[in-house]
Amino acid sequence: DVKVTQSSRYLVKRTGEKVFLECVQDMDHENMFWYRQDPGLGLRLIYFSYDVKMKEKGDIPEGYSVSREKKERFSLILESASTNQTSMYLCASSFIYNEQFFGPGTRLTVL
Amino acid sequence: QKEVEQNSGPLSVPEGAIASLNCTYSDRVSQSFFWYRQYSGKSPELIMSIYSNGDKEDGRFTAQLNKASQYVSLLIRDSQPSDSATYLCAVLPMRGSTLGRLYFGRGTQLTVWP
Repeated sequence: DVKVTQSSRYLVKRTGEKVFLECVQDMDHENMFWYRQDPGLGLRLIYFSYDVKMKEKGDIPEGYSVSREKKERFSLILESASTNQTSMYLCASSFIYNEQFFGPGTRLTVL
Repeated sequence: QKEVEQNSGPLSVPEGAIASLNCTYSDRVSQSFFWYRQYSGKSPELIMSIYSNGDKEDGRFTAQLNKASQYVSLLIRDSQPSDSATYLCAVLPMRGSTLGRLYFGRGTQLTVWP
């Protein structure tokens, strides 16, 4: 079975803090993705990576950065958290041009 | 912009009925199509994939694809209360165009009442 894990299920941070969300997959997938999901807005792609050290902006990259130093690990960084970044964050991975598999999600609250 | 449209619902059906979920997409050369199920508070789970025109059946689920009409649907036969969830349609455009990212609809919320 494909396994995608995320570092935290729930996270509470304060405005202005630097936040790291980590995602690890064990299927040697080339692609990894970070989404946020908000009620009524669906899944929105923040960033994705198609290889180690390679990244592409998604639809809402502002306020976020990413890092992929190893193939199995993809990190999302909020440089200075703001309240409008309170959301459910979902990581996914896939072989290129194939279906994606999601991690359990991290519900982030920024106070 | 590659658009994927779904009726947001909510769609409500009685137990044992057929639930029909629909999805249209804007990119004519899209090649692969997926249905995900998402329970409240959980992450999306892949339940069906379809790549060619026609029907694909898996247990109580049938995916239907019509590329000429740019339309994909999911039928759930003998619906159960445990099928109550949000169903997301996802589209993979032509190879080489997007590095393999999927485009998701906003989902249709399904409720199956006993």
